[in-house]
Amino acid sequence: DQQVKQNSPSLSVQEGRISILNCDYTNSMFDYFLWYKKYPAEGPTFLISISSIKDKNEDGRFTVFLNKSAKHLSLHIVPSQPGDSAVYFCAAMPYNTDKLIFGTGTRLQVFP
Amino acid sequence: GAGVSQSPRYKVAKRGQDVALRCDPISGHVSLFWYQQALGQGPEFLTYFQNEAQLDKSGLPSDRFFAERPEGSVSTLKIQRTQQEDSAVYLCASSPARDTEAFFGQGTRLTVV
Repeated sequence: DQQVKQNSPSLSVQEGRISILNCDYTNSMFDYFLWYKKYPAEGPTFLISISSIKDKNEDGRFTVFLNKSAKHLSLHIVPSQPGDSAVYFCAAMPYNTDKLIFGTGTRLQVFP
Repeated sequence: GAGVSQSPRYKVAKRGQDVALRCDPISGHVSLFWYQQALGQGPEFLTYFQNEAQLDKSGLPSDRFFAERPEGSVSTLKIQRTQQEDSAVYLCASSPARDTEAFFGQGTRLTVV
């Protein structure tokens, strides 16, 4: 039972363009959402988060959008850079616990 | 160090051997988490501690897995009688409070042969 789904295993984007990574969830108890970025042989690194009371959070080139009615969130990276090439994980936290539930990840490749 | 530190980075164990994986969280972080990541998958929750209290161990796959954090700081994940299906990267993370990001270590890659 996959509570957090990232249906696109990979995405390829040209440098300078927008990257859009999507994530769907099924559990209504999730109230905090995060995106992590992972390079090979390293642990995940926190990127950006959003609380369920908001529908948008922006940090530099990164913006996360939350659509609670659709149980959907997305990460926008603009402009994309080659250094953004990594695996991106969406994660969600239920309101009654601290544990994170992760999606399966999307591998982003940004080419020149 | 400033980040979460895990040791060893790599461990090869013979099937049936016991292993112990160590995690040093960021100083002062209350919450500590263990995750298991299989190849091509996202991290799967194993267990978590708030200080020395193990609040949730629902993700531990079997009674061969045991975690402890006796003084509310360093944690050890022990796997007894390892099996091939235990081969994975074991990630430790810590966070200072709820609704804040968790900081991950580099992980321990366990290979059971």
